[in-house]
Amino acid sequence: DAGVTQSPTHLIKTRGQQVTLRCSPKSGHDTVSWYQQALGQGPQFIFQYYEEEERQRGNFPDRFSGHQFPNYSSELNVNALLLGDSALYLCASSSLLTPGYNTGELFFGEGSRLTVL
Amino acid sequence: KQEVTQIPAALSVPEGENLVLNCSFTDSAIYNLQWFRQDPGKGLTSLLLIQSSQREQTSGRLNASLDKSSGRSTLYIAASQPGDSATYLCAVSKGTSYGKLTFGQGTILTVHP
Repeated sequence: DAGVTQSPTHLIKTRGQQVTLRCSPKSGHDTVSWYQQALGQGPQFIFQYYEEEERQRGNFPDRFSGHQFPNYSSELNVNALLLGDSALYLCASSSLLTPGYNTGELFFGEGSRLTVL
Repeated sequence: KQEVTQIPAALSVPEGENLVLNCSFTDSAIYNLQWFRQDPGKGLTSLLLIQSSQREQTSGRLNASLDKSSGRSTLYIAASQPGDSATYLCAVSKGTSYGKLTFGQGTILTVHP
């Protein structure tokens, strides 16, 4: 059973460029969430996708956008990169939380390490 | 706004010791709490999930407890081993948040032989 897979694992960009990160959820999962983890910090929630729509969003600017495809995979796009966007970007998958029906447990991928120069 | 705090920030122990990692959260209206392990530069591995109606969960040498009313959780690691060295993160979610976790900053654990 394949877990959550992310690509690329590492990438280097320069300020002002744009980047796209990709995520395939764990088999049987339909919900994808994205997190940003700066060095030495806990992950911060960016947004979540279900049924190809953004359902929730954290405190991130509009430069961060996403997409979910019919096969539940997802992309995270970041425009006009800043030095402060350098971080580990984590994708997590789950089944849509239905209280009393599933646990809401999240499973994470290995992340994409973005360095902005 | 939910805030999660983990104490201590770092911990170094000799192999074989039993240890406790602490996690506190400010809003007790949580749906569940998850403990994760993170190795350097890697993703998060789920260790234990505790539903808000539960008091504890156990997996092997790990035991996590939850006191929702006081906003606290502890992760107990028995008979620590060098392979347990990693960063341990706790995170909480609300029932209406569909997978939005609020994380603490983690405890960096080093177990030396």
